[in-house]
Amino acid sequence: DADVTQTPRNRITKTGKRIMLECSQTKGHDRMYWYRQDPGLGLQLIYYSFDVKDINKGEISDGYSVSRQAQAKFSLSLESAIPNQTALYFCATSDLHNEQFFGPGTRLTVL
Amino acid sequence: AQSVAQPEDQVNVAEGNPLTVKCTYSVSGNPYLFWYVQYPNRGLQFLLKYITGDNLVKGSYGFEAEFNKSQTSFHLKKPSALVSDSALYFCAVKTGGSYIPTFGRGTSLIVHP
Repeated sequence: DADVTQTPRNRITKTGKRIMLECSQTKGHDRMYWYRQDPGLGLQLIYYSFDVKDINKGEISDGYSVSRQAQAKFSLSLESAIPNQTALYFCATSDLHNEQFFGPGTRLTVL
Repeated sequence: AQSVAQPEDQVNVAEGNPLTVKCTYSVSGNPYLFWYVQYPNRGLQFLLKYITGDNLVKGSYGFEAEFNKSQTSFHLKKPSALVSDSALYFCAVKTGGSYIPTFGRGTSLIVHP
């Protein structure tokens, strides 16, 4: 089984709808991250969490919220989706100073 | 502040030839440097890292990278490219005092048969 899983893998929604992207990990890592990838822009950090009680905004958190339900679960919500949130979203985990482990991604399209 | 630059959006190389994907960084303090690869419709996969020690780091799939402190570079290399190496490559940097790595914009590597 994959170490980091994301659901759904693909999602098409309409402007104004609320959606949730979910991430689960079996790595046992405390640190979890949500990134957005747009062509030519690399990875942009949305939110990150260092433990269940710790949530921090990244560089592009506006329009997004997160929930850390357990060490293994970190969800990203779009309260009212807009077309410019169409992108590829990745969840990742890590321990303190080592590499990150990424999920397979969720391709989100907002019409 | 920390930053990383990948000066080439795309690198083209013939199969069997050596390849280099460039990365330069800027940090305050000692860098922790990483290379990741992303194949189409996949998440990023870790290739290799430099934290301390030998400046030449060997990683997965025959890749290696050389840490050059004076030039603040961490270029990714492979002696003989394969068509299957075609992918998007990301360099990332952090320091011991920073919690979050900064990623470059990525370099598309295309290996021609």
